[in-house]
Amino acid sequence: GAVVSQHPSRVICKSGTSVKIECRSLDFQATTMFWYRQFPKKSLMLMATSNEGSKATYEQGVEKDKFLINHASLTLSTLTVTSAHPEDSSFYICSARDRINEQYFGPGTRLTVT
Amino acid sequence: GNSVTQMEGPVTLSEEAFLTINCTYTATGYPSLFWYVQYPGEGLQLLLKATKADDKGSNKGFEATYRKETTSFHLEKGSVQVSDSAVYFCALSVDRGSTLGRLYFGRGTQLTVWP
Repeated sequence: GAVVSQHPSRVICKSGTSVKIECRSLDFQATTMFWYRQFPKKSLMLMATSNEGSKATYEQGVEKDKFLINHASLTLSTLTVTSAHPEDSSFYICSARDRINEQYFGPGTRLTVT
Repeated sequence: GNSVTQMEGPVTLSEEAFLTINCTYTATGYPSLFWYVQYPGEGLQLLLKATKADDKGSNKGFEATYRKETTSFHLEKGSVQVSDSAVYFCALSVDRGSTLGRLYFGRGTQLTVWP
Protein backbone atom coordinates (compact mmCIF):
# COMPACT_ATOMS: atom_id res chain seq x y z
CA GLY A 1 0.00 0.00 0.00
CA ALA A 2 0.88 3.66 -0.20
CA VAL A 3 3.35 5.00 2.34
CA VAL A 4 3.50 8.39 3.98
CA SER A 5 6.53 9.32 6.04
CA GLN A 6 7.07 12.07 8.57
CA HIS A 7 10.31 13.52 9.75
CA PRO A 8 11.33 13.83 12.47
CA SER A 9 9.42 11.27 14.48
CA ARG A 10 10.29 13.04 17.71
CA VAL A 11 11.65 16.51 18.37
CA ILE A 12 12.40 18.44 21.51
CA CYS A 13 12.96 22.17 21.20
CA LYS A 14 13.29 25.17 23.42
CA SER A 15 10.55 27.70 23.84
CA GLY A 16 10.79 30.45 21.24
CA THR A 17 12.45 28.40 18.54
CA SER A 18 10.85 27.14 15.32
CA VAL A 19 10.45 23.54 14.28
CA LYS A 20 9.81 22.13 10.82
CA ILE A 21 8.02 18.84 10.27
CA GLU A 22 8.07 17.14 6.88
CA CYS A 23 5.40 14.94 5.41
CA ARG A 24 6.23 12.91 2.31
CA SER A 25 4.22 10.59 0.12
CA LEU A 26 6.79 8.00 -0.86
CA ASP A 27 5.21 6.16 -3.76
CA PHE A 28 2.37 8.31 -4.98
CA GLN A 29 1.58 11.90 -5.81
CA ALA A 30 -0.56 13.75 -3.32
CA THR A 31 -2.36 16.83 -4.54
CA THR A 32 -3.78 17.31 -1.07
CA MET A 33 -2.26 16.76 2.33
CA PHE A 34 -3.89 17.30 5.69
CA TRP A 35 -2.29 18.28 8.97
CA TYR A 36 -3.81 17.11 12.24
CA ARG A 37 -3.01 17.69 15.85
CA GLN A 38 -3.77 15.07 18.43
CA PHE A 39 -4.06 15.88 22.10
CA PRO A 40 -3.72 13.20 24.78
CA LYS A 41 -6.85 11.05 24.96
CA LYS A 42 -8.56 13.20 22.38
CA SER A 43 -9.39 12.87 18.78
CA LEU A 44 -7.54 14.32 15.87
CA MET A 45 -8.12 17.97 15.21
CA LEU A 46 -7.75 19.04 11.60
CA MET A 47 -5.47 22.06 11.49
CA ALA A 48 -5.25 22.76 7.79
CA THR A 49 -5.63 21.39 4.31
CA SER A 50 -2.62 21.78 2.09
CA ASN A 51 -2.94 21.81 -1.70
CA GLU A 52 0.09 21.60 -3.92
CA GLY A 53 1.04 24.96 -5.35
CA SER A 54 -1.50 27.00 -3.43
CA LYS A 55 -2.02 28.43 0.01
CA ALA A 56 -3.16 26.16 2.77
CA THR A 57 -6.70 26.38 4.09
CA TYR A 58 -6.71 26.67 7.86
CA GLU A 59 -9.45 25.54 10.20
CA GLN A 60 -11.12 28.06 12.43
CA GLY A 61 -9.02 28.86 15.46
CA VAL A 62 -5.71 27.75 13.95
CA GLU A 63 -3.20 30.56 13.63
CA LYS A 64 -1.78 30.52 10.13
CA ASP A 65 1.16 32.72 11.11
CA LYS A 66 2.13 30.30 13.84
CA PHE A 67 1.64 27.08 11.89
CA LEU A 68 3.18 27.70 8.49
CA ILE A 69 2.34 25.13 5.86
CA ASN A 70 4.11 24.75 2.54
CA HIS A 71 3.14 22.19 -0.07
CA ALA A 72 5.99 22.71 -2.50
CA SER A 73 5.62 19.55 -4.54
CA LEU A 74 3.26 16.65 -5.11
CA THR A 75 5.16 14.55 -2.60
CA LEU A 76 6.13 16.98 0.14
CA SER A 77 4.34 19.22 2.60
CA THR A 78 5.96 20.91 5.56
CA LEU A 79 4.52 22.27 8.78
CA THR A 80 6.61 24.83 10.63
CA VAL A 81 5.69 25.65 14.19
CA THR A 82 7.06 29.14 14.70
CA SER A 83 8.09 30.56 18.07
CA ALA A 84 7.04 27.36 19.76
CA HIS A 85 5.71 27.37 23.29
CA PRO A 86 5.06 24.51 25.72
CA GLU A 87 1.34 24.55 24.85
CA ASP A 88 2.31 23.61 21.28
CA SER A 89 3.61 20.29 22.55
CA SER A 90 1.53 17.64 20.86
CA PHE A 91 1.43 14.80 18.38
CA TYR A 92 1.21 16.09 14.83
CA ILE A 93 -0.02 13.77 12.11
CA CYS A 94 -0.21 14.34 8.39
CA SER A 95 -2.19 12.50 5.79
CA ALA A 96 -1.95 12.50 2.02
CA ARG A 97 -4.70 11.91 -0.49
CA ASP A 98 -3.98 10.19 -3.76
CA ARG A 99 -5.69 10.64 -7.12
CA ILE A 100 -8.49 8.22 -6.32
CA ASN A 101 -9.18 10.00 -3.02
CA GLU A 102 -7.71 7.35 -0.77
CA GLN A 103 -6.11 8.91 2.28
CA TYR A 104 -2.96 7.62 3.96
CA PHE A 105 -1.56 8.71 7.29
CA GLY A 106 1.96 9.37 8.38
CA PRO A 107 3.32 7.85 11.59
CA GLY A 108 3.17 11.17 13.42
CA THR A 109 5.67 13.56 15.01
CA ARG A 110 5.89 14.00 18.76
CA LEU A 111 6.80 17.63 19.51
CA THR A 112 7.91 18.60 22.99
CA VAL A 113 8.62 22.24 23.74
CA THR A 114 10.58 22.87 26.90
CA GLY B 1 -23.02 19.54 9.82
CA ASN B 2 -20.79 16.50 9.82
CA SER B 3 -19.84 14.77 13.03
CA VAL B 4 -19.09 11.39 14.54
CA THR B 5 -19.95 10.15 17.99
CA GLN B 6 -18.37 7.01 19.37
CA MET B 7 -18.34 5.41 22.77
CA GLU B 8 -15.45 6.84 24.71
CA GLY B 9 -14.25 3.89 26.66
CA PRO B 10 -11.83 2.80 27.81
CA VAL B 11 -12.88 -0.71 26.96
CA THR B 12 -11.15 -3.53 28.78
CA LEU B 13 -11.69 -7.13 27.69
CA SER B 14 -10.22 -10.53 28.22
CA GLU B 15 -8.69 -12.34 25.28
CA GLU B 16 -11.27 -14.07 23.05
CA ALA B 17 -14.10 -11.83 24.28
CA PHE B 18 -16.57 -10.21 21.89
CA LEU B 19 -16.00 -6.58 21.04
CA THR B 20 -18.45 -3.87 20.06
CA ILE B 21 -17.54 -0.21 19.74
CA ASN B 22 -20.51 1.95 18.90
CA CYS B 23 -20.32 4.73 16.36
CA THR B 24 -23.06 7.01 15.08
CA TYR B 25 -22.81 9.89 12.69
CA THR B 26 -24.50 12.93 11.25
CA ALA B 27 -23.64 14.04 7.76
CA THR B 28 -24.71 16.22 4.89
CA GLY B 29 -24.98 14.16 1.77
CA TYR B 30 -23.85 10.57 1.48
CA PRO B 31 -20.78 9.89 3.58
CA SER B 32 -18.19 7.18 3.41
CA LEU B 33 -17.46 5.62 6.79
CA PHE B 34 -14.19 4.41 8.19
CA TRP B 35 -12.59 2.77 11.18
CA TYR B 36 -8.98 3.62 11.87
CA VAL B 37 -6.69 2.01 14.43
CA GLN B 38 -3.79 3.66 16.21
CA TYR B 39 -1.23 1.54 17.99
CA PRO B 40 0.83 3.16 20.78
CA GLY B 41 3.20 5.81 19.47
CA GLU B 42 2.13 5.37 15.87
CA GLY B 43 -0.04 7.12 13.32
CA LEU B 44 -3.41 5.94 12.09
CA GLN B 45 -3.98 2.92 9.94
CA LEU B 46 -7.13 2.29 7.98
CA LEU B 47 -8.84 -0.77 9.42
CA LEU B 48 -11.92 -0.95 7.23
CA LYS B 49 -14.37 1.20 5.35
CA ALA B 50 -17.77 1.25 3.72
CA THR B 51 -18.86 3.66 1.05
CA LYS B 52 -22.62 3.14 0.82
CA ALA B 53 -25.59 1.99 2.82
CA ASP B 54 -25.66 -1.70 3.78
CA ASP B 55 -22.03 -2.20 2.81
CA LYS B 56 -20.02 -4.25 5.28
CA GLY B 57 -16.37 -3.44 5.76
CA SER B 58 -14.14 -6.16 7.17
CA ASN B 59 -10.49 -6.72 7.93
CA LYS B 60 -8.44 -8.79 10.40
CA GLY B 61 -11.62 -10.24 11.92
CA PHE B 62 -13.19 -6.82 12.47
CA GLU B 63 -16.47 -5.91 10.81
CA ALA B 64 -18.73 -2.90 10.57
CA THR B 65 -21.95 -2.43 8.61
CA TYR B 66 -23.07 0.92 7.20
CA ARG B 67 -26.60 1.40 8.58
CA LYS B 68 -28.23 4.41 7.03
CA GLU B 69 -31.52 3.95 8.90
CA THR B 70 -29.79 4.20 12.27
CA THR B 71 -26.86 6.34 11.05
CA SER B 72 -24.49 3.88 12.64
CA PHE B 73 -21.26 2.06 11.83
CA HIS B 74 -20.54 -0.09 14.88
CA LEU B 75 -17.26 -1.98 15.00
CA GLU B 76 -17.36 -5.65 16.03
CA LYS B 77 -14.96 -8.52 16.47
CA GLY B 78 -15.93 -11.96 17.64
CA SER B 79 -12.73 -12.83 19.50
CA VAL B 80 -10.24 -10.15 20.44
CA GLN B 81 -6.53 -10.72 20.94
CA VAL B 82 -3.97 -8.93 23.08
CA SER B 83 -2.48 -7.52 19.88
CA ASP B 84 -5.77 -5.70 19.19
CA SER B 85 -5.05 -3.33 22.08
CA ALA B 86 -5.06 0.12 20.50
CA VAL B 87 -7.17 3.22 20.04
CA TYR B 88 -9.95 2.92 17.49
CA PHE B 89 -11.36 5.90 15.63
CA CYS B 90 -14.58 6.08 13.70
CA ALA B 91 -14.57 8.63 10.90
CA LEU B 92 -16.55 9.87 7.94
CA SER B 93 -15.87 11.80 4.80
CA VAL B 94 -18.27 13.57 2.52
CA ASP B 95 -16.96 13.70 -0.99
CA ARG B 96 -18.46 16.83 -2.25
CA GLY B 97 -17.44 20.44 -2.67
CA SER B 98 -14.90 22.07 -0.44
CA THR B 99 -14.94 19.24 2.07
CA LEU B 100 -13.74 16.70 -0.47
CA GLY B 101 -11.51 14.19 1.25
CA ARG B 102 -11.71 15.76 4.68
CA LEU B 103 -12.15 13.24 7.47
CA TYR B 104 -14.28 13.89 10.52
CA PHE B 105 -13.16 11.80 13.48
CA GLY B 106 -14.81 10.55 16.61
CA ARG B 107 -12.94 10.98 19.89
CA GLY B 108 -11.42 7.53 19.82
CA THR B 109 -11.95 4.47 21.99
CA GLN B 110 -9.09 2.91 23.89
CA LEU B 111 -9.25 -0.87 23.82
CA THR B 112 -7.14 -2.94 26.20
CA VAL B 113 -7.18 -6.71 25.92
CA TRP B 114 -5.78 -8.79 28.78
CA PRO B 115 -4.42 -12.30 28.30
